[in-house]
Order: sequence, then C-alpha cells, then structure tokens
Amino acid sequence: SQQGEEDPQALSIQEGENATMNCSYKTSINNLQWYRQNSGRGLVHLILIRSNEREKHSGRLRVTLDTSKKSSSLLITASRAADTASYFCATEQYINNDMRFGAGTRLTVKP
Amino acid sequence: EAGVAQSPRYKIIEKRQSVAFWCNPISGHATLYWYQQILGQGPKLLIQFQNNGVVDDSQLPKDRFSAERLKGVDSTLKIQPAKLEDSAVYLCASSLVPAVIMNTEAFFGQGTRLTVV
Repeated sequence: SQQGEEDPQALSIQEGENATMNCSYKTSINNLQWYRQNSGRGLVHLILIRSNEREKHSGRLRVTLDTSKKSSSLLITASRAADTASYFCATEQYINNDMRFGAGTRLTVKP
Repeated sequence: EAGVAQSPRYKIIEKRQSVAFWCNPISGHATLYWYQQILGQGPKLLIQFQNNGVVDDSQLPKDRFSAERLKGVDSTLKIQPAKLEDSAVYLCASSLVPAVIMNTEAFFGQGTRLTVV
C-alpha cells in the first residue's frame, strides 16, 4: 500500500505566488523526501529531511516535518511557470528502509 | 556521471504475453528499486534490492512478476503473463546506500511505458 497521502491532489496558482503541499504518512520513518515529476519524465529529488529535523531549506523550497502528527509540508516560494509538475513525498520506512511514495500533488503555475 | 538507464522506453504487448524490463543503476549504487506508476497515481514500490539481496518485495505480485539483480548490478523485471491492469510506467531507481545511513537521494531512470492490449 502507499505510505504517504498528499494534499491537495491538485493546486493551481499564479506565477509569483507561494505553493504549499502537505503529506501525511502512517508508520515510523527514518526520513522523508520530496520529488518532482514533469509529465512523462522520471522523478527528480528535491530535498530530504531526517526524522530528527523539523525544518529544512533549499533555494525556494522549505520543508517542515512534524513526526508527532506524521505530516510534512513543502512550500515553494515565488513560484514560476517552470515549477508546473507533480510533487510526491516519499518516506523511508524505519522497519526495513524501503521507500514508499504518496499519490502526489499536481501543481499548475500560470504565467 | 551516467544516470540510471532503462530499456526499452516503450513496449506494447497483448494480454497473456510476457515482457521483461532492464535497468542499469548508477555505478557503485548498492540499493536498487523497481516501482510501478499507473497513470495519475504515485509510484508503487514493487521490489527493493540491497546489493543482490531483496529488502522488500511485499507488494510484488509474485504469481506473475519476478525480478532479479545478478551480481548486485543490473536488474531485470519480468511479467508473465501480462494483464490489462499491468499497463503502467515501470520506474527503476538506485541510491548509494539507504538514506538512513547517509543523506542520499534516489536517482530515477526515465521509465518503461508498458501498454497491455
């Protein structure tokens, strides 16, 4: 079964606005990762946050992790049309280190 | 650095036929994953290898799917016989080690798009 659930399923914003996507998961994890997938392409790693970290930044990306609520959020600031893609969270399971993905959020940034 | 190579890129087969996908991970990467991604859904883990040993294959439909990783390098995923619901993109990924050991990311190939008719 899938591990993470992203929310919302789809998000449409104007260029320059911020985009926030959320991910909830079920079991104990070692870390949580966010990936981007452009239509018809492979997944590209964006950022990894360990279970003992609460916040991490990378360029225009900000990720938070709340292990007590088993949830994470990805914030993309000052969005660009090129950010249009599907975004997935993936959790590395504590029990066996396997990596499982959620269903994804489809982000559309309108120019 | 060469990326994860997958072949073929596209495959169309009839139901009940057999098909095989090949993956060549990044050199030196010990962990290899196969995922199935149905259109509009997130990738579903089918099997994860650590070197040539299986870490998790709990979601692999073993009555029709099989995978191997000979010598801990290349891997093949086979479906025999295929069903209509197997139509999906099959993604291979590799990482140096599981991310719990180091802050390592997984690198994905472009995938093989399978259509079963």
